[in-house]
Amino acid sequence: TQLLEQSPQFLSIQEGENLTVYCNSSSVFSSLQWYRQEPGEGPVLLVTVVTGGEVKKLKRLTFQFGDARKDSSLHITAAQPGDTGLYLCAGASWNFNKFYFGSGTKLNVKP
Amino acid sequence: DTGVSQDPRHKITKRGQNVTFRCDPISEHNRLYWYRQTLGQGPEFLTYFQNEAQLEKSRLLSDRFSAERPKGSFSTLEIQRTEQGDSAMYLCASSPTTGWDNEQFFGPGTRLTVL
Repeated sequence: TQLLEQSPQFLSIQEGENLTVYCNSSSVFSSLQWYRQEPGEGPVLLVTVVTGGEVKKLKRLTFQFGDARKDSSLHITAAQPGDTGLYLCAGASWNFNKFYFGSGTKLNVKP
Repeated sequence: DTGVSQDPRHKITKRGQNVTFRCDPISEHNRLYWYRQTLGQGPEFLTYFQNEAQLEKSRLLSDRFSAERPKGSFSTLEIQRTEQGDSAMYLCASSPTTGWDNEQFFGPGTRLTVL
């Protein structure tokens, strides 16, 4: 059973469209991270959110942490082919000794 | 520093054989994590080291799996008597103790295929 559920699992959109990816859990996390992974490589950290209700922006990417610190969303504006990849959310245990990853959202942005 | 490195990148073995993977973290990173990732899934936590101490180990990790970090630098993950279900990508990540966001830097992974 996955502690973090991500939706959708797959997303195929045209360049220029907007999209939102969700990460949900019944557990509370001290922090939540978003990663992007490309085929044959390890995940690369995009952002960490720590405070409930927090919103962070990274160029065209907007990340939100739920008020109860159980869920998060990633919104991409005007998607580009370079955004293609596997997006993963990960919740940290209170002491950062353990991370729980979601199953990922595979995004394909067509030119 | 060139980042986290893992060796080998690919390993093909026959069922029942033992395999060992190596991870070299970013120097001075105290924290080191091992994960397993199967196709279409996110990484699954296996174990965690702080310096040379193994502080966390997944209950999913059977007795056939063992990991070490003898001098608090590189780490090895050994799988004994491999099974076909062990086929996966094995990822290593390191992070500094300081740093408020505890960013994990991942290596490229070792892809294991058990025939």
